[in-house]
Amino acid sequence: ETGVTQSPTHLIKTRGQQVTLRCSSQSGHNTVSWYQQALGQGPQFIFQYYREEENGRGNFPPRFSGLQFPNYSSELNVNALELDDSALYLCASSLATGGEKLFFGSGTQLSVL
Amino acid sequence: EDQVTQSPEALRLQEGESSSLNCSYTVSGLRGLFWYRQDPGKGPEFLFTLYSAGEEKEKERLKATLTKKESFLHITAPKPEDSATYLCAAWGQTGANNLFFGTGTRLTVIP
Repeated sequence: ETGVTQSPTHLIKTRGQQVTLRCSSQSGHNTVSWYQQALGQGPQFIFQYYREEENGRGNFPPRFSGLQFPNYSSELNVNALELDDSALYLCASSLATGGEKLFFGSGTQLSVL
Repeated sequence: EDQVTQSPEALRLQEGESSSLNCSYTVSGLRGLFWYRQDPGKGPEFLFTLYSAGEEKEKERLKATLTKKESFLHITAPKPEDSATYLCAAWGQTGANNLFFGTGTRLTVIP
């Protein structure tokens, strides 16, 4: 049973650029959630995807967008990067959309200069 | 506004010295309280889910409890490998699909 994998592990971008982060969910999981974790903070919910549709969104602007593919893998896209977007981006998969334990990947560390 | 507060922010224990971590929450219609462990450079790892006040769950040296206002993670006779950041998260009625995380307690167990 493979776990949640994220790529790349580290990324450096400049302000105003766009970035795409990728996530492969754990085998058998149809739900993917994305979280942003700033240094010294707890993870903050960005959005969730279930069966290729967005199924809930946190307090993040529209320049944060996502996709889920038929194999349940997912992408997080961030446009017009800002310095405050520097954070660890975590992907988590689960068997259902609410109340299920989340299985997290190791994250992508994004630095915006 | 939903809020989850963890204390202390950091805790240093001698090996074998038991203690408790606190998670206070104000969440509309709590449906579940989760505990996760996070090691440096890794994503959080699931420990427990508690659904109702009075519920307790145990795993090795860890025991989680839940009241109507807070949750405790009790660590009995900790070992150095228990060193990590412990996060609690609330699942409530607001934003039905997301977990609302606290900022964590960074635990260091000294041999």
